[in-house]
Amino acid sequence: EDQVVESGGGLVQPGGSLRLSCVASGFTFSDHYMDWVRQAPGKGLEWVGRNRDKANRYTTEYAASVKGRFTISRDDSKNSVYLQMNSLKAEDTAVYYCTKTGTHTFDIWGQGTVVTVSS
Amino acid sequence: DIQMTQSPSSLSASVGDRVTITCRASQGISSNLAWFQQKPGKAPKSLIFAASSLQSGVPSKFSGSGSGTDFTLTISSLQPEDFATYYCQQYKTYPLTFGGGTKVEIK
Repeated sequence: EDQVVESGGGLVQPGGSLRLSCVASGFTFSDHYMDWVRQAPGKGLEWVGRNRDKANRYTTEYAASVKGRFTISRDDSKNSVYLQMNSLKAEDTAVYYCTKTGTHTFDIWGQGTVVTVSS
Repeated sequence: DIQMTQSPSSLSASVGDRVTITCRASQGISSNLAWFQQKPGKAPKSLIFAASSLQSGVPSKFSGSGSGTDFTLTISSLQPEDFATYYCQQYKTYPLTFGGGTKVEIK
C-alpha cells in the first residue's frame, strides 16, 4: 500500500526555523514528484511546493508565499522528502501535508503534521 | 496565477440526493483538473484526476466532467459517508491552485 508519513511539526517562534520530514513506502519513491500542501486552521488547501524526481534533476517549484524562505529536498536512498522552513511567520501556522504525485497530480496524502508559529 | 472558484461554498442535502458542485478556472486549463474529498480532522483524499477519471478505489457514484474553464463534480446518490468538504485543483500551470471548497452538509 502506498503511504507517506510526515513528522517534525511543532511550536516555533516567529523568525525561527523548522524542518519537516516525510517518509514514503509502498511505491518506487525515486520515480515520483513529491509535494507539500498546507491548510491553515479553518481554511482551505494551499500548495506549498514541489520536488521533481531524479529524471528531472530534482528541480523545485514554490508558491510565492514561501519562495526564498522554504526549501524542499529529498533523499531517494531514504525514501524521504524534506521541507526546510526558515524565517517563519504567524501565517505559516497550518497542518502540512506531504503528497505523492501520480500520473497527474496528488494521489497519496499523509496524515499531516501541525506547525504553530507563535511567541 | 489561475484562480479556481467553486460554487456553492456550502450546500445541504439529504441521503439519496444527487449533488453537483461546480468549479470555474480563471483561464483555460484543458482537462488538468482534480477533485479531492476532505472529512473533518482528516487528510484530503483524491477522487478524480484529468477532470473525469476516477482514482483507483473511488466508487462510481462520483463522476467529473468539463474541460477548459468549467467543471463539475457529481455525486449520484449521497450517502452518510459523503458528507465532507470537496476541493477542486488545477495542475495546468504553477502555482498549483485549489478552489475554496464546498462543504456538503446533512439536511
